[in-house]
Amino acid sequence: GESVGLHLPTLSVQEGDNSIINCAYSNSASDYFIWYKQESGKGPQFIIDIRSNMDKRQGQRVTVLLNKTVKHLSLQIAATQPGDSAVYFCAENIMNYGGATNKLIFGTGTLLAVQP
Amino acid sequence: DAGVTQSPTHLIKTRGQQVTLRCSPISGHKSVSWYQQVLGQGPQFIFQYYEKEERGRGNFPDRFSARQFPNYSSELNVNALLLGDSALYLCASSLSQGANQPQHFGDGTRLSIL
Repeated sequence: GESVGLHLPTLSVQEGDNSIINCAYSNSASDYFIWYKQESGKGPQFIIDIRSNMDKRQGQRVTVLLNKTVKHLSLQIAATQPGDSAVYFCAENIMNYGGATNKLIFGTGTLLAVQP
Repeated sequence: DAGVTQSPTHLIKTRGQQVTLRCSPISGHKSVSWYQQVLGQGPQFIFQYYEKEERGRGNFPDRFSARQFPNYSSELNVNALLLGDSALYLCASSLSQGANQPQHFGDGTRLSIL
């Protein structure tokens, strides 16, 4: 399938290493954030989310850190595997019209390349 | 359980034509959103629908329209197609339109304009 990773920042890691993917978001009023993984030819796949009243959340092999002071998110992947190779997007949830509209604003994306 | 399903998976049209894309949300999900993803970029918000009403619209021209049916499925229509409309069109569903609701995406429709 076509690659979604053209011209994207790339992080290359060795299999078994830990990966850290960073993201800056734009709206200080955003209160909900999601990390998605997108493989070639597929739609974004939900990985993990975090609310703004938290600064850290852990899932299976993944951890998301939120720093609201500098509007920064990071996704940490432990023991990276070849199957983790994909484009990773952070998304901030924007609420408008008193909560009637709920849209996601996506970051640029990072291509994670795992070397066996 | 089935995830978000979209049809068709691929479509080729010529400039000036019209296209209809379809989306079935995850069972129990009442909110559907549409996004456009140009190659090499993140998805861009087009519409959100909840309970058959448009709840939000992104910065897209009036050539783009959508609707939601009583079974919560949705259609995206694009009229007078331009070369720049070539993209992956993604549908996402969530339980409701409220805060802190994760949106789950389908695999999209790849639209190519010749």
